[in-house]
Amino acid sequence: SSELTQDPAVSVALGQTVRITCQGDSLGTYFATWYQQKSGQAPVLVIYGKNNRPSGIPDRFSGSSSGNTASLTITGAQAEDEADYYCYSRDSGGDHVVFGTGTKVTVL
Amino acid sequence: QVQLQESGPGLVKPSETLSLTCSVSGDSISTYYWSWIRQPPGKGLEWIGYVSGSGSTSYNPSLMSRLTISLDTSKNQFSLKLISVTTSDTAIYYCARFRNWNCDYWGQGTLVTVSS
Repeated sequence: SSELTQDPAVSVALGQTVRITCQGDSLGTYFATWYQQKSGQAPVLVIYGKNNRPSGIPDRFSGSSSGNTASLTITGAQAEDEADYYCYSRDSGGDHVVFGTGTKVTVL
Repeated sequence: QVQLQESGPGLVKPSETLSLTCSVSGDSISTYYWSWIRQPPGKGLEWIGYVSGSGSTSYNPSLMSRLTISLDTSKNQFSLKLISVTTSDTAIYYCARFRNWNCDYWGQGTLVTVSS
């Protein structure tokens, strides 16, 4: 299967830690990439590869993986982290890309 | 700083062709790969395909029969052409730089509505 499944929504108290998961067969072979999309804006790359952050992305964002599950962790969530988060990876054949279903993160 | 800007008609009639262009500044289009992604209103992201700096392509299998992505190195632009559109093709269309299988720079997106 080339699908990537995410929980539709999670909430986190301000300053607390939240983990967003992404499940899919291809994640046993390829790393997940994570994008943040705030309302009305284009997505922004936040994590790629094993656990790499582009310049300008706070270090409270981190990535990890185990088997067919990848995770994005926000340690010490801030109000500005409220957004939709999408995982993304190559498909099982390795020739194409597939996005996860997306997770809406609400910071309380 | 790499910048991308989508352009094209905001309204297309059913059964006609959707054509968009992405203008790239701050980078040579021949250097990397370039991708299109779309997002129907209120829904998730869908990868459309990519084109390499040499013109090779890879397309989403669900769109492959209707899709062409091409490069214009003289203008530092790449384009998308989707034929026989239906209302299901209504979406915000984004272009992005596709580097090491990641979309690291994105355009702001352009809404294309398919309606008669």
